[in-house]
Amino acid sequence: KAGVTQTPRYLIKTRGQQVTLSCSPISGHRSVSWYQQTPGQGLQFLFEYFSETQRNKGNFPGRFSGRQFSNSRSEMNVSTLELGDSALYLCASSKDLAGGTYEQYFGPGTRLTVT
Amino acid sequence: AQSVTQPDIHITVSEGASLELRCNYSYGATPYLFWYVQSPGQGLQLLLKYFSGDTLVQGIKGFEAEFKRSQSSFNLRKPSVHWSDAAEYFCAVASYSSASKIIFGSGTRLSIRP
Repeated sequence: KAGVTQTPRYLIKTRGQQVTLSCSPISGHRSVSWYQQTPGQGLQFLFEYFSETQRNKGNFPGRFSGRQFSNSRSEMNVSTLELGDSALYLCASSKDLAGGTYEQYFGPGTRLTVT
Repeated sequence: AQSVTQPDIHITVSEGASLELRCNYSYGATPYLFWYVQSPGQGLQLLLKYFSGDTLVQGIKGFEAEFKRSQSSFNLRKPSVHWSDAAEYFCAVASYSSASKIIFGSGTRLSIRP
């Protein structure tokens, strides 16, 4: 079974620009979560989408947004990029939460550098 | 608010020696607890998880962890480390109501001495 894939793997953008990152979950997984990883703040939860709806949200400004498509693929968008947005962005997918068990599978991440 | 503390930023152990990585959490109810490993340039891989039941959980790669409610701890152990275990290890917590919103600790970097 193919794992979580993220594209692109590396990205360089300039301050003020916007960027879109893509995540394809494991087949059959309906939940997709996004995390930001930086040396200073560590791993922080951005948001989660399930069945095309945002179900949970972290404490990030409105410049960070996302969406999920009917095939469960997800995109996240960052507008008006700032230098502090330079980070590794990780996507994770999981099956439905029904049943009380839970396990997230992470992709390799997209390394975003803002100059 | 939920939080996770990993008090050791960096640990070095000799190959073949035993390992224990510490993790303390703060959460009101019974949490979901996880240990993840991240190799350089890679995403996160789940080592093991605790939801309920037996407090000693076995994971992949020979790792195990013990949930101690009285100490709010979930320490990761391995009886004999291999050079390939060198990586960053993250303890994490989530709640049943927001199981997708995982709160991660700051991580412990493990180095292996030949």
